[in-house]
Amino acid sequence: GQQLNQSPQSMFIQEGEDVSMNCTSSSIFNTWLWYKQDPGEGPVLLIALYKAGELTSNGRLTAQFGITRKDSFLNISASIPSDVGIYFCAGQPPNTGGFKTIFGAGTRLFVKA
Amino acid sequence: NAGVTQTPKFQVLKTGQSMTLQCAQDMNHNSMYWYRQDPGMGLRLIYYSASEGTTDKGEVPNGYNVSRLNKREFSLRLESAAPSQTSVYFCASSASNRAGNTIYFGEGSWLTVV
Repeated sequence: GQQLNQSPQSMFIQEGEDVSMNCTSSSIFNTWLWYKQDPGEGPVLLIALYKAGELTSNGRLTAQFGITRKDSFLNISASIPSDVGIYFCAGQPPNTGGFKTIFGAGTRLFVKA
Repeated sequence: NAGVTQTPKFQVLKTGQSMTLQCAQDMNHNSMYWYRQDPGMGLRLIYYSASEGTTDKGEVPNGYNVSRLNKREFSLRLESAAPSQTSVYFCASSASNRAGNTIYFGEGSWLTVV
């Protein structure tokens, strides 16, 4: 089946730094979603992308739907300690009604104050 | 602001025991899902219900059954628990829009099978 390669697996950064993470696939997706998960909690939706080339922001977060429809990236600007967590990308393949969302393995972000 | 609520939060089972995870959503969403999350892996779809009255298998359905009781509720049953089913289980729901399915998750249920 389709798989998502999410990188990097983990990042250790200093407070105030910008962060970039991405997901790639060998197959196309119709929708890309980005989630953040805090310890002991469920994933929380950050940004949803529905169209190739789309660039969407949510506060300090910016995500883009790649033109080829096979990749997406998430940027976090001016990181703060509460950005710590696991970030997941997720893609919805075509012809699945959006029901069979595939998730990346996650990027663990550590922010040093 | 309940969103997706799932119970229990924690459960320990012995191998061979059965149990049901309950899930309810108050967002009037048509579709509901059960995922499992294992260390170092993304979420994997067990079963989903596109709408009330329908259920379909996901990526890892073996050992599980589901029931879409009504529009609000979607339960996951383990008939004979196995240690390989030790995991964190997430219920989710979505309302399809023209563009795609935006999925909202519950807080998770930690299940240990010994």
